[in-house]
Amino acid sequence: DSGVTQTPKHLITATGQRVTLRCSPRSGDLSVYWYQQSLDQGLQFLIHYYNGEERAKGNILERFSAQQFPDLHSELNLSSLELGDSALYFCASSAGQGVIHEQFFGPGTRLTVL
Amino acid sequence: EDQVTQSPEALRLQEGESSSLNCSYTVSGLRGLFWYRQDPGKGPEFLFTLYSAGEEKEKERLKATLTKKESFLHITAPKPEDSATYLCAVPKARGGYQKVTFGIGTKLQVIP
Repeated sequence: DSGVTQTPKHLITATGQRVTLRCSPRSGDLSVYWYQQSLDQGLQFLIHYYNGEERAKGNILERFSAQQFPDLHSELNLSSLELGDSALYFCASSAGQGVIHEQFFGPGTRLTVL
Repeated sequence: EDQVTQSPEALRLQEGESSSLNCSYTVSGLRGLFWYRQDPGKGPEFLFTLYSAGEEKEKERLKATLTKKESFLHITAPKPEDSATYLCAVPKARGGYQKVTFGIGTKLQVIP
């Protein structure tokens, strides 16, 4: 158990809908990262927050947004969902701000868009 | 463009048959390299961080090494429970921008 929690574990929704994925980092970690993992594809970095502030954006679509709250939990919002958004979404947390710190991953949310 | 390439894509070993997985990268300003293990449908599990060429780290049957262009994950006398996908990842920081690039992984199957 990495100490990172994600809810829900599974999510099934329809095209055009909006969903919110939630992540609680390990105790004491200030950084939260979001990744998307599609079938046969590697982990794609989406976005990084540190202590409530956005630090870096990766391959995140404009339909997706995220935030980190004062209690350090983070939410990833996916809107106008398309079939291609079906994937595993992971969050990871680390102690520091820099990417040189190892990241600890949650169990993921499996999103299925029908 | 930064790239992380892992080979082979898949590897099938008999129990006890040692082998190595490769991770090569073309990232300028390397600041380190991570190895993770991922079981199907689960989040990656951190294994090692290597910071500089020549560094080695070990954990049970796994040993990771790093050169200036690549890293190897050596698996000695593997057991079926070592079956998983092994991911390497390279962090990069340039100015205020930081990200981690993951390879697609090597899927290891160890047969009893």
